[in-house]
Amino acid sequence: GENVEQHPSTLSVQEGDSAVIKCTYSDSASNYFPWYKQELGKRPQLIIDIRSNVGEKKDQRIAVTLNKTAKHFSLHITETQPEDSAVYFCADRTDTGRRALTFGSGTRLQVQP
Amino acid sequence: DSGVTQTPKHLITATGQRVTLRCSPRSGDLSVYWYQQSLDQGLQFLIHYYNGEERAKGNILERFSAQQFPDLHSELNLSSLELGDSALYFCASSVGRQGLGGYTFGSGTRLTVV
Repeated sequence: GENVEQHPSTLSVQEGDSAVIKCTYSDSASNYFPWYKQELGKRPQLIIDIRSNVGEKKDQRIAVTLNKTAKHFSLHITETQPEDSAVYFCADRTDTGRRALTFGSGTRLQVQP
Repeated sequence: DSGVTQTPKHLITATGQRVTLRCSPRSGDLSVYWYQQSLDQGLQFLIHYYNGEERAKGNILERFSAQQFPDLHSELNLSSLELGDSALYFCASSVGRQGLGGYTFGSGTRLTVV
């Protein structure tokens, strides 16, 4: 898509708590929404993704929800652990225009032990 | 190891110079994407190649160019370098043209312009 807004920019939680990161997209033609985790000094790694024909997807402690009407999607991490500390990026892809992933600005998650 | 290989890992060069960054995609992947990540910034899309052909351009400066070769490896050429070009440059690959299913990123090339 053209623009993806991500909030919050930083998030600190206690170990065991849940964390939620939200993204808003602008292009109604967006059809794919992945989330990436980037640990310090390392490459971004895909952790979960969702396509536009699905409202929710879960994988163990992480889940993604999509609200196409409101054009937003969220990452939910439950029972957070210190190793979840990283920068998380949302992204979207549209079927029009450049068709490459557009990334949000990232959320730095800190899980306090 | 993600299967996407980027070389070199680090590069230090002077302003005005020209450098070439290299990327070998994961075996079987036909698409290569280049992204720039400045300090504490997000990932800015530069360019996408699929099976040797340019598919899309993002915020790529005219001083930058890229190509994908018949063996599917790609090179990103950065010329007339400026201090502001210092960044981490990632390439990523995907199986198809559309990138559905996500990208696999390489470890990046950290470029420092002095």
